[in-house]
Order: sequence, then structure tokens, then C-alpha cells
Amino acid sequence: EAGVAQSPRYKIIEKRQSVAFWCNPISGHATLYWYQQILGQGPKLLIQFQNNGVVDDSQLPKDRFSAERLKGVDSTLKIQPAKLEDSAVYLCASRGGGRNTIYFGEGSWLTVV
Amino acid sequence: SQQGEEDPQALSIQEGENATMNCSYKTSINNLQWYRQNSGRGLVHLILIRSNEREKHSGRLRVTLDTSKKSSSLLITASRAADTASYFCATEGGSNTGKLIFGQGTTLQVKP
Repeated sequence: EAGVAQSPRYKIIEKRQSVAFWCNPISGHATLYWYQQILGQGPKLLIQFQNNGVVDDSQLPKDRFSAERLKGVDSTLKIQPAKLEDSAVYLCASRGGGRNTIYFGEGSWLTVV
Repeated sequence: SQQGEEDPQALSIQEGENATMNCSYKTSINNLQWYRQNSGRGLVHLILIRSNEREKHSGRLRVTLDTSKKSSSLLITASRAADTASYFCATEGGSNTGKLIFGQGTTLQVKP
């Protein structure tokens, strides 16, 4: 089966600019996650969707970050305006089929200069 | 906030040796999972151990779980250079919401 697809893989922007990341989960997976991973640290959950509803967004900086999954399939994560500390890898993951395993995409690497 | 704390932060061993990584967590869990991340890549699921299990094996991997101490360990036996990666534990809470919280990870270097 096809894995979790993410794009773009790499992005460099200036601070105060905006950026959007796209994720297409594994087909049929109802749960979709966005994680932020700063270099040298473990992934931090930003938001969790169940179909098109938000399950947990307690650690999403809502003043600048937004995410949507309108049709319960693919998802976008937006940052506006970006700050230097947003430089990180943004990992999308999905889970479904009654299994506990979470499948990760390759990540979108963001550098804010 | 991070749930797990991993120890050591970095580990360097020779090929053929065993590598042991430890993970501690704070709250009750439904299960604990271990993931591997090669440099510049996404995370790959290795093994899951449920809260009512004490030990689990998968190939060269052995995971133990001690819920009384809120800790887990991952043992990689007969390590290979290809095992060089970062290893993360992740816990899923007792409420079974599907929320997975990761530790800070252990960076393993296996020297050929």
C-alpha cells in the first residue's frame, strides 16, 4: 500500500512569511496527526484529526498555526506568520484499520531565516 | 509536553554488541511503542507492547515494560552498522484516544 505522502519536502522562508504543508494519509486511515520535530528532540503532537474532526489541538499555537482536513482525507498545515523558532520538520502520520501502528510520512523540512 | 524521557541520550557501540535504551514515562498508558528514525527520514514503527504485557520480542529486538516503575527498555542484540539511527519511545494514554506522545530519543551509533 502507498505510504503517507507529504509535500513539499523542503522549504526555506523568511520570518513573517507564510507556508503551507500538505499531507495525504494512507487510504482509509481515519486518524491523521501533525507532529513538529525540532532538531535533536522527539516529535511533539500539534494536532490530531479523527476523520474531519479535531480530537486534540492543545499544543497547536493557534495564533499562527492552522490545520484543516475538510473532506476527512488529506490535510494542510499552515503557518502564518512564521517565526525563527518554527524551523523544524513537520511530520504527518496516519492510523486506521483498527490497528495501533502509526505510519509516518518522510516529513516537510522548514527553515525560517 | 513530552511524556517519555529516554536514557541514554546517545550511545556508541561496536558492531556485534548489544544496545540497550531505556524509557520512563509519567502517566498511565494503554500501550508503549518504539520507533526508529534514520537521519533525515520519517519514523518507522518497530514494536508495540501493551500495558498488560511484560516482554515482547521481534527479531533482534526485545522490549520490556514495567508499569509499576513506569519504564520500558529496548534491547537490540547483535547490532549492525545499519542499526545506526535515533530510537524513540512513545506512549498512548489509558483513555485510548489514539494520542501518541514521544520521548526525546536515544541516538545510537554502531561502529563497523
